[in-house]
Amino acid sequence: QLQLQESGPGLVKPSETLSLTCTVSGASTSSTDYYWAWIRQPPGKGLEFIGTIYHSGSAYYNPSLQSRVTISVDTSKNQFSLNVKSVTAADTAVYYCATTGPDILTGYYDSWGQGTLVTVSS
Amino acid sequence: DFQMTQSPSTLSASVGDRVTITCRASQTISGYLAWYQQKPGKAPNLLIYQASSLKTGVPSRFAGSGSGTEFTLTINSLQPDDFATYYCQQYTSIRSTFGQGTKLEIK
Repeated sequence: QLQLQESGPGLVKPSETLSLTCTVSGASTSSTDYYWAWIRQPPGKGLEFIGTIYHSGSAYYNPSLQSRVTISVDTSKNQFSLNVKSVTAADTAVYYCATTGPDILTGYYDSWGQGTLVTVSS
Repeated sequence: DFQMTQSPSTLSASVGDRVTITCRASQTISGYLAWYQQKPGKAPNLLIYQASSLKTGVPSRFAGSGSGTEFTLTINSLQPDDFATYYCQQYTSIRSTFGQGTKLEIK
């Protein structure tokens, strides 16, 4: 069974870079069967797609975040990562990693990590 | 991009009621629509994909319908465990987008 676990600092200072890692078990990040995604949820608000990446390294980002976000995949560690630079308080959120299938028919998020709260504050 | 609008934002109902949540897309998404249930402090849980396909293990009182730009999630005979927040998601675009959520409260 595919499982995802987010890890990283829970507190980041304004203007710095937020970095999170998602460790995958039960599947391989080199698999052609999945896209690996990041989604966030500010406290009390809805879900926001951040970006997604394929094993090849092809990544797709939310246009509103694209200038500040990088997602990468490390197949040797079976992990994928998120970097958000120049953070502000508006980036405070629970960050989830999640997976979809490899094509439009399977673009729904069938597996999720438990989520990790990242607070941006000095 | 594809904007998703859910209504209502909040819905009050009683155990045993039948409720319907609507999700509208700003342009056609064919049937590439999923529904999720989220409880406080937990990750969302997939209920329905492809607008009307029930994920294995999800109770049959949940039903999805629609195509094009208008979709509905119906919950028949509400159970205490169903009081949660529900989100729709379009995946016509790889840059998927979610509705703003509908909170289902106990009346």
